[in-house]
Amino acid sequence: GQQLNQSPQSMFIQEGEDVSMNCTSSSIFNTWLWYKQDPGEGPVLLIALYKAGELTSNGRLTAQFGITRKDSFLNISASIPSDVGIYFCAGHLGNTPLVFGKGTRLSVIA
Amino acid sequence: SAVISQKPSRDICQRGTSLTIQCQVDSQVTMMFWYRQQPGQSLTLIATANQGSEATYESGFVIDKFPISRPNLTFSTLTVSNMSPEDSSIYLCSVDPGVTDTQYFGPGTRLTVL
Repeated sequence: GQQLNQSPQSMFIQEGEDVSMNCTSSSIFNTWLWYKQDPGEGPVLLIALYKAGELTSNGRLTAQFGITRKDSFLNISASIPSDVGIYFCAGHLGNTPLVFGKGTRLSVIA
Repeated sequence: SAVISQKPSRDICQRGTSLTIQCQVDSQVTMMFWYRQQPGQSLTLIATANQGSEATYESGFVIDKFPISRPNLTFSTLTVSNMSPEDSSIYLCSVDPGVTDTQYFGPGTRLTVL
């Protein structure tokens, strides 16, 4: 089946720093989704990308759908303590189920 | 988007018992899904809950262990049957409203089996 490689697995950063994480796939997707999960909560949709090359922002978050349709990145600018959590990428193609990355655990040091 | 609620939010159960988890959506949706998230892991799809027909299960999950009901377009239940400690996980309901190719998740049910 399809596999998503999400990196890095974890990050420790200082408050105010920028963050970048990415996902790559062995096959193409039509949609890339980025979620954030806080402890004890369900994943919350941050950004959805629907076209190759699309660059979309949501506040301090920016995500891009790679030109090859096999990758996506998420950037967080000027991190704050509430950015702490696990970030998941997910890819979707047609009527097949969402494929999730293993997550990036972000820790922010004040 | 969609607002999704799940009951219970958490439970501690004894081995061999069963637990039914409810998922309620604030709007009618065609696609509803059930996921399992084991401690420290990513999300694994258990099944797609189809309204008016049997659920479609992913490899490794069977109806006898995880029976699902979908009586209407806003509600679904997942039962975890004959539980063992290995079933301790977060169980998540998810919906695709169908307008855009996205999925939204409920808050999850944290299950601990002793």
